Amino acid sequence: SAVISQKPSRDICQRGTSLTIQCQVDSQVTMMFWYRQQPGQSLTLIATANQGSEATYESGFVIDKFPISRPNLTFSTLTVSNMSPEDSSIYLCSVEYRREAFFGQGTRLTVV
Amino acid sequence: AQKVTQAQTEISVVEKEDVTLDCVYETRDTTYYLFWYKQPPSGELVFLIRRNSFDEQNEISGRYSWNFQKSTSSFNFTITASQVVDSAVYFCALSEVTRSGTYKYIFGTGTRLKVLA
Repeated sequence: SAVISQKPSRDICQRGTSLTIQCQVDSQVTMMFWYRQQPGQSLTLIATANQGSEATYESGFVIDKFPISRPNLTFSTLTVSNMSPEDSSIYLCSVEYRREAFFGQGTRLTVV
Repeated sequence: AQKVTQAQTEISVVEKEDVTLDCVYETRDTTYYLFWYKQPPSGELVFLIRRNSFDEQNEISGRYSWNFQKSTSSFNFTITASQVVDSAVYFCALSEVTRSGTYKYIFGTGTRLKVLA
């Protein structure tokens, strides 16, 4: 299995600020995925991050709002920029390892 | 379009009752994977099972069992003799290969299970 460490686990932020979420995997993986789970909702894929190239964003998500870095095969960051209360969600990092998706513990973000 | 439907938003049962969570999916692919995940109140997603589209054999793991039927595009999950610790949100998910060769996961809206003591 793949073990994912995600930081921070939770944060309360002021609107207009930015938060960077870190995701560390204990195995080298080609693709890393970032999901958003709004309160009481399902998971929605934000983007797919491939090492050495720009992330691929899903419809409704843009790089200016959710810039992603993928400097190596075990690490990625997601930044939530210029936050508003609507960004209050759980953000989850995920990797696919041997045809199984593994998830970090999630970052519970509250924007006030 | 690919889609996963979990029609049951919330289910409440009394401890020791059996409960079945429904999952219906739509896909045009012949090769795909189906998953169930559990999300307890703490928020993390816990993997429960993966099933590929060529394996329709039902599976049992302890109190958990899964019924995969391609003819009805369903992948239902049954918990036998439910316990309070089973209280969580359960997500069904579909994994397909994208044009670029990567796998994309599509999640259902989840079923919140409440097991009452």
